[in-house]
Amino acid sequence: DGGITQSPKYLFRKEGQNVTLSCEQNLNHDAMYWYRQDPGQGLRLIYYSQIVNDFQKGDIAEGYSVSREKKESFPLTVTSAQKNPTAFYLCASSIVGGGGNYGYTFGSGTRLTVV
Amino acid sequence: GQQLNQSPQSMFIQEGEDVSMNCTSSSIFNTWLWYKQEPGEGPVLLIALYKAGELTSNGRLTAQFGITRKDSFLNISASIPSDVGIYFCAGSLNFGNEKLTFGTGTRLTIIP
Repeated sequence: DGGITQSPKYLFRKEGQNVTLSCEQNLNHDAMYWYRQDPGQGLRLIYYSQIVNDFQKGDIAEGYSVSREKKESFPLTVTSAQKNPTAFYLCASSIVGGGGNYGYTFGSGTRLTVV
Repeated sequence: GQQLNQSPQSMFIQEGEDVSMNCTSSSIFNTWLWYKQEPGEGPVLLIALYKAGELTSNGRLTAQFGITRKDSFLNISASIPSDVGIYFCAGSLNFGNEKLTFGTGTRLTIIP
């Protein structure tokens, strides 16, 4: 079955450490996205990529970094520069040019907690 | 970045009641989408709307694309406990545009 997989489901990080969240899709989608969700709030776009080896900053990119070396994979690194990293992180994918019509497919999320 | 205004922010209803929520934008959209997010999971697409005035159903859910193109509505009839979650609207500014603009969400709680 095609889908989008995020791992791990729960992640704990010490202050000052970098941590990488995994996102893999086998839907053959060109575009991938990372969102952050805080309790009681909506979705805020961190980074997105429409093609391999290219990505764009979203609304809250500071303190985060991404790479897109393969079409299937779009890992997100939460760096020590991110002042308030505790949140629920969602990865999504879509057909390029079709995101507006067919919507995004979301992963099941990673909950990151700084301890 | 822009977010759509979604209301109400939260709802507490009794099982069996009908639910209505809406989403408004200052911009015209060509596509409206409605998602549901269950606790600890990612959002799942419920309904997609492509034409002004369009009314589309998915079981007990019915959504409408406002004729002004600046709003959309979602109704849930005869609510059941598994309807609990956060409902998000999303809009596409241009035909085939990759990026969606999301609403702020409506949290639905059902009282037994």
